[in-house]
Amino acid sequence: GAGVSQSPSNKVTEKGKDVELRCDPISGHTALYWYRQRLGQGLEFLIYFQGNSAPDKSGLPSDRFSAERTGESVSTLTIQRTQQEDSAVYLCASSPRTFAGTEAFFGQGTRLTVV
Amino acid sequence: LAKTTQPISMDSYEGQEVNITCSHNNIATNDYITWYQQFPSQGPRFIIQGYKTKVTNEVASLFIPADRKSSTLSLPRVSLSDTAVYYCLVGHGNSGYSTLTFGKGTMLLVSP
Repeated sequence: GAGVSQSPSNKVTEKGKDVELRCDPISGHTALYWYRQRLGQGLEFLIYFQGNSAPDKSGLPSDRFSAERTGESVSTLTIQRTQQEDSAVYLCASSPRTFAGTEAFFGQGTRLTVV
Repeated sequence: LAKTTQPISMDSYEGQEVNITCSHNNIATNDYITWYQQFPSQGPRFIIQGYKTKVTNEVASLFIPADRKSSTLSLPRVSLSDTAVYYCLVGHGNSGYSTLTFGKGTMLLVSP
């Protein structure tokens, strides 16, 4: 596809279960970002990848959150032992390079509901 | 990273020009200013980006004064479909590394 693809689009899980969220960036984009957006709130930065390394993990809220990226391709955000406060839309974005004078392209997000 | 301040919300009517101002007093020399638009249930979408003076594209203009401590997004003749949240970002590249930090954004409501 031409854009950033995220899957699943919706996920309902029980409290305490682990979930994996997937992001397929635009081909050739070196930078990849994960954000969390709670209902009615702004975007909360989680983690940034340059290639498959993550120079900035400062936004991960706890050690239950982890992310990895394979080369300059797909990224997976894993949330272990989900809690109700993890319910949010998780957005992924990619950009062609890390220099700030570029445009980032966002996916449609994964809506996670923890019940 | 430079912190940004923008109004929480703005109201307008169809056909009017809307100007949203963002303050970024501690902007750094190599920082760019970027604006994104977000509709409900969608990811943000890039609108415009600039470094200084004025930038114009098919959807908006961006005005940046000489001191670069603020910027103004100008939307000409808004329509109902311009109702969205608008985010101002200030970011830079540093040794090949940059990040995108979103503030709370401005909720623009366009009425008939």
